[in-house]
Amino acid sequence: GAVVSQHPSRVICKSGTSVKIECRSLDFQATTMFWYRQFPKQSLMLMATSNEGSKATYEQGVEKDKFLINHASLTLSTLTVTSAHPEDSSFYICSARNRDRPYEQYFGPGTRLTVT
Amino acid sequence: KQEVTQIPAALSVPEGENLVLNCSFTDSAIYNLQWFRQDPGKGLTSLLLIQSSQREQTSGRLNASLDKSSGRSTLYIAASQPGDSATYLCAVMNSGYSTLTFGKGTMLLVSP
Repeated sequence: GAVVSQHPSRVICKSGTSVKIECRSLDFQATTMFWYRQFPKQSLMLMATSNEGSKATYEQGVEKDKFLINHASLTLSTLTVTSAHPEDSSFYICSARNRDRPYEQYFGPGTRLTVT
Repeated sequence: KQEVTQIPAALSVPEGENLVLNCSFTDSAIYNLQWFRQDPGKGLTSLLLIQSSQREQTSGRLNASLDKSSGRSTLYIAASQPGDSATYLCAVMNSGYSTLTFGKGTMLLVSP
């Protein structure tokens, strides 16, 4: 149980385009989902927290107009990187908090974004 | 602001050795601490979760301890195997509904 999926696992896009990443909780309901970013050999940095049905809360320094987050249902959150640039290339990981076990987070497998 | 530090940053050992990974955190008022494993280019696999009221957790060859007052945790891996090669991340949660703060990880290489 407690499986989180991400789609796509890898994406390559051209500079200036937008790309959407999906995060789904497959066998539980997630009232809260988190989006992290990880650079090579670095730790996970929290970008934003999204609660179902409300606006996401962004961490300091994260541009909310560039990284659009939507959490429209209890099992799906999306991260859209708008007008992507090469410096946005990174590994994006989502996690989901189980509504019934809120002290645990379950992580997705990550999405490797490369902007050319 | 919580800060998590992991030492060493990298560790290389021969197969069969017992080893210890260290994690320290600056704010001892934590809710829980979790150890994760991350393989290259992959997501995170949760290994052990220790609640603030617990002193240790064990799973197979892994044992994690927590000393909340001193802000330290260790992950002990017994009889290491090449398959244990990965990056090990320590993360703390400051309250039941807060986010996780991660360390930078320890990259472990176990050679045959």
